[in-house]
Amino acid sequence: DTAVSQTPKYLVTQMGNDKSIKCEQNLGHDTMYWYKQDSKKFLKIMFSYNNKELIINETVPNRFSPKSPDKAHLNLHINSLELGDSAVYFCASSHGGYVTEAFFGQGTRLTVV
Amino acid sequence: TQLLEQSPQFLSIQEGENLTVYCNSSSVFSSLQWYRQEPGEGPVLLVTVVTGGEVKKLKRLTFQFGDARKDSSLHITAAQPGDTGLYLCAGHFGGGTSYGKLTFGQGTILTVHP
Repeated sequence: DTAVSQTPKYLVTQMGNDKSIKCEQNLGHDTMYWYKQDSKKFLKIMFSYNNKELIINETVPNRFSPKSPDKAHLNLHINSLELGDSAVYFCASSHGGYVTEAFFGQGTRLTVV
Repeated sequence: TQLLEQSPQFLSIQEGENLTVYCNSSSVFSSLQWYRQEPGEGPVLLVTVVTGGEVKKLKRLTFQFGDARKDSSLHITAAQPGDTGLYLCAGHFGGGTSYGKLTFGQGTILTVHP
């Protein structure tokens, strides 16, 4: 049983297109996240939702819009894709709080050409 | 902005050698985790440390949390090729709007040669 699953695993698209990445967790966690990992392997938080409510929104372009239909799902929609958006995007979940142990999905490698 | 400095960035060693990876910050962590990431996979949690001075062991891996809770280290004894991977420290700095937010270090790419 996959704990945090995201689709698709690979996404190749042209500049200017709009794309979505989906994430689901079956761990019963109340907090979900989107992280971006760049080509140097640096992992940076983008968004965090707690019980479907946005609680962390780092400095991310407005072209990125997360949506959480329920506690188990967090999707990421990206408009007008740019070359610099190419990265690996990870979904994660946790119980939240100040001793946070995150469980990550396998990642979506986005390549914008 | 809280930053985590992780070093070294790259480590290439022979099987059987020992190694240490460091994670430092100028701010106090409320908790710190170490993760390991393999190619094509997401990071997987190895350990969480919360108390200053805490030491945790996981087989050949020893994790230490500094007394002031501003630094941590990961020591691997007698490294094996299966230890090869990306090691990431991640800290939570606590308080207010940082709820659930992990700040990651730059990562250490470890290669253990047979």
